[in-house]
Amino acid sequence: DIQMTQSPSLVSASVGDSLTITCRASQDISKWLAWYQQKPGKAPKLLIYAASTLQSGVPSRFSGSGSGTDFTLTITSLQPGDVATYYCQQANSFPFTFGQGTRLDIK
Amino acid sequence: QVHLVESGGGVVQPGRSLRLSCAASGFAFSAYGLHWVRQAPGKGLEWVAVLSDEENIESYADSVKGRFTISRDVSKSTLYLEMNSLRVEDTAVYFCARDRGGGDRYGMDLWGQGTTVSVSS
Repeated sequence: DIQMTQSPSLVSASVGDSLTITCRASQDISKWLAWYQQKPGKAPKLLIYAASTLQSGVPSRFSGSGSGTDFTLTITSLQPGDVATYYCQQANSFPFTFGQGTRLDIK
Repeated sequence: QVHLVESGGGVVQPGRSLRLSCAASGFAFSAYGLHWVRQAPGKGLEWVAVLSDEENIESYADSVKGRFTISRDVSKSTLYLEMNSLRVEDTAVYFCARDRGGGDRYGMDLWGQGTTVSVSS
C-alpha cells in the first residue's frame, strides 16, 4: 500500500499569513493527489484534485502543486475560517490512503 | 439538491455484524463511484472501501478486507456497507462519499454527515 506522510502535523499562523503543507507519497503517484479540509464535527471538503486543480467554489487562496512523490498545499491570506485539519489523499491506486493530517490553528 | 445521508450506526458487541446505509439523492446514482471512509475518535481519516461506477469494481482497505462488503441498490439509490466480525478498532464515524466524476482519481466531492459505529463489550 502507498503511505502518505504529511508535515507538519500542527501549524499555527496569523490572519493574513501564508503557509505551506507538504505531503509525500511512498511511491510515484503521478498527479493523483487530492487535498481536503475538515472542520471539527464536519465531513471533509474537497479542496484540490489532480494535485493542482481547484475544486469549484474553493477560494483561489488555496493552491496545490507537485507530482510524483512530493506535493504541497499552499494557503495565502489566512482567514479565521481556515482553522481546520487538512488531509492529502492519494488516488493513484487502490487501496486509497490519506495522510495523517495537518491541524491549522490561528494565533 | 445533491445529498448523501448515512444511517445504521449504533453500539454493537465485538464479533457481531452491522449494516450501514447511505441514501443518495439529486444525482445519477449509478454513474458515480462511491466510497466509505471512517474516522476513529480523535484520529485521522481512513479510507475503507470503494464501489466503482459502471464497472462495479470493489476494493477494500487491508484492515477490513474479508470482513466488510460494499454494495449498492440502484433501484433505491442506496449504498451499503455490510460489516461482519466487528472489532473494537472498527469504532469510528463512517462517512460515505462520491467520486467527483470522470473516474476515481479526481477526489471525493460529496460527503454525507457520517454515522457512528461503536464496538464495545
